Amino acid sequence: QVQLVQSGAEVKKPGASVKVSCKASGYTFTSYGISWVRQAPGQGLEWMGWISAYNGNTNYAQKLQGRVTMTTDTSTSTAYMELRSLRSDDTAVYYCAREAAVAGIAFDIWGQGTMVTVSS
Amino acid sequence: DIQMTQSPSSLSASVGDRVTITCRASQSISSYLNWYQQKPGKAPKLLIYAASSLQSGVPSRFSGSGSGTDFTLTISSLQPEDFATYYCQQSYSTLSYTFGQGTKLEIK
Repeated sequence: QVQLVQSGAEVKKPGASVKVSCKASGYTFTSYGISWVRQAPGQGLEWMGWISAYNGNTNYAQKLQGRVTMTTDTSTSTAYMELRSLRSDDTAVYYCAREAAVAGIAFDIWGQGTMVTVSS
Repeated sequence: DIQMTQSPSSLSASVGDRVTITCRASQSISSYLNWYQQKPGKAPKLLIYAASSLQSGVPSRFSGSGSGTDFTLTISSLQPEDFATYYCQQSYSTLSYTFGQGTKLEIK
């Protein structure tokens, strides 16, 4: 079945970096984009950025520009999100989501989420 | 960025009730509006895309309407499994796919 499986929970110190993986299966990886969305504890959803699995083009949320990098490995159908210079307010569940091309786009398949805790 | 504002922020209702959640965009987004359902500890689930199209496998009691700046999600007859948080999301601006702040639907 179509699914996205993410890497496990991480605990990081302020100033460190984290890299979360998202492995796709059940569909042609390069035919869809992947967005990353995060959710701080008890808060709403925040879109972080997008990567084309076809050509690697990216678009990052302005507030994360310079700290986030999204990449893909088409040989393993895996997307990655790296966030640097971590702060306590980066503590959140991080989701990857497949972008379906509808009128605009919609996130039709989601990973299970990866908890990233930033604490000294 | 396009701002998305949902109302109400929370809502109490009973099984069998008809419920409507509203989402307003800070500028026209045509029909580029999606709705998601999220249950505690779970990833969001796509319910409605392009303002009014029902995602495959989603019960027909869910419906969406609207265009431009004003949109609604309606649940025609609440079921116990519908108690969750609902988010709207615009995909008109490819610079930033913003979400609404969420509407928590609770059991009365």
